[in-house]
Amino acid sequence: QSALTQPRSVSGSPGQSVTISCTGTSSDVGGYNYVSWYQQHPGKAPKLMIYDVSKRPSGVPDRFSGSKSGNTASLTISGLQAEDEADYYCCSYAGSFGGGTKLTVL
Amino acid sequence: QVQLVQSGAEVKKPGASVKVSCKASGYTFTGYYMHWVRQAPGQGLEWMGWINPNSGGTNYAQKFQGRVTMTRDTSISTAYMELSRLRSDDTAVYYCARDPSPMYDSSGYYFGYWGQGTLVTVSS
Repeated sequence: QSALTQPRSVSGSPGQSVTISCTGTSSDVGGYNYVSWYQQHPGKAPKLMIYDVSKRPSGVPDRFSGSKSGNTASLTISGLQAEDEADYYCCSYAGSFGGGTKLTVL
Repeated sequence: QVQLVQSGAEVKKPGASVKVSCKASGYTFTGYYMHWVRQAPGQGLEWMGWINPNSGGTNYAQKFQGRVTMTRDTSISTAYMELSRLRSDDTAVYYCARDPSPMYDSSGYYFGYWGQGTLVTVSS
């Protein structure tokens, strides 16, 4: 049982936008601006996509954006592309991960 | 370029220990926290702890306290993670992952560079 709650799956068509939520508590997501998001393709190591709630590392497309409201953080992917199909994990203070969300591009 | 190269796959019996290595290159090894994260087959990510390669100080997730030991050898820029008293549910891919920011500027637990992963299988 993960500390943070994510939907098991989301889907969208190419060009559309999707949002993945990550719900925690005031002791993790709500209490600190230390939320990050990771993309993981099958058989590969995860890749950092967002940190400090909404910052993008160099090289991450600006189609990926992050936000937070209260105890829930969100990752929004706009202009969906086929290569965005992957598992996405949120992570909050002290290494608490969400259970992961499988994104399917229809 | 930052590279983290991990040791090869391991098969262990229940009750045994395993030690995974992570050789770093392309940056100052003692300047960045190194984390360990594992992933059981078909499951999510689980943070295990970090080591400060400069001081050797560690911080372990409560779940692994007493079973995990993280060490480093600065002369060869290598971090190690040893897990003892292995059980079948320790079967997982173990990753080392480096903080993207130098220690003096580090904030949250972020994992900017990852090793290729080491599969540890625990089976009798």
